[in-house]
Amino acid sequence: IAGITQAPTSQILAAGRRMTLRCTQDMRHNAMYWYRQDLGLGLRLIHYSNTAGTTGKGEVPDGYSVSRANTDDFPLTLASAVPSQTSVYFCASSERGDTHQAFFGQGTRLTVV
Amino acid sequence: GQNIDQPTEMTATEGAIVQINCTYQTSGFNGLFWYQQHAGEAPTFLSYNVLDGLEEKGRFSSFLSRSKGYSYLLLKELQMKDSASYLCAVMDSNYQLIWGAGTKLIIKP
Repeated sequence: IAGITQAPTSQILAAGRRMTLRCTQDMRHNAMYWYRQDLGLGLRLIHYSNTAGTTGKGEVPDGYSVSRANTDDFPLTLASAVPSQTSVYFCASSERGDTHQAFFGQGTRLTVV
Repeated sequence: GQNIDQPTEMTATEGAIVQINCTYQTSGFNGLFWYQQHAGEAPTFLSYNVLDGLEEKGRFSSFLSRSKGYSYLLLKELQMKDSASYLCAVMDSNYQLIWGAGTKLIIKP
């Protein structure tokens, strides 16, 4: 089934641990994004990539890193998790960085304790 | 700063019409988007407006006034499955999406 897949679906993580959230798309989209969604706030962009081999910082990049080795995969790494990183994380992709329709993964619910 | 405002919550009756407003102040404008998000699920694309006016798509319509920094999403013939959050987002001059916090729409029978 074509689309965008995230793993894991949910995770409880001890503070200070390192964690990588996985994201894979099979639509051959050039642009990919990581957002976090917190209650009462809009989706906030963490990092993005307009094409394989390039990445950029979004609104809230601190404490997170990404890589884009190929078109399909865009993992998000928390180097040393803190409780404020408790959130729902969504990966998304679009044909290009300036196209309007983004497709979202099902989300990863992360709790840092 | 950049800002998207939309009501936190609205309630409507099955079969009725509801209008969800969105006002924005952003650095540049490259289009306004509406997404639907059911509880616990991913946002899904509903509509895109870049020119002033009304775009109609079945039971859903979206309106844009760039001079007023204003948009609305109109939902007709409401169904229980329309209970969801509706997210307004604006693409700024850097082609980044700026998101509102979303409007939770509750549909009552």
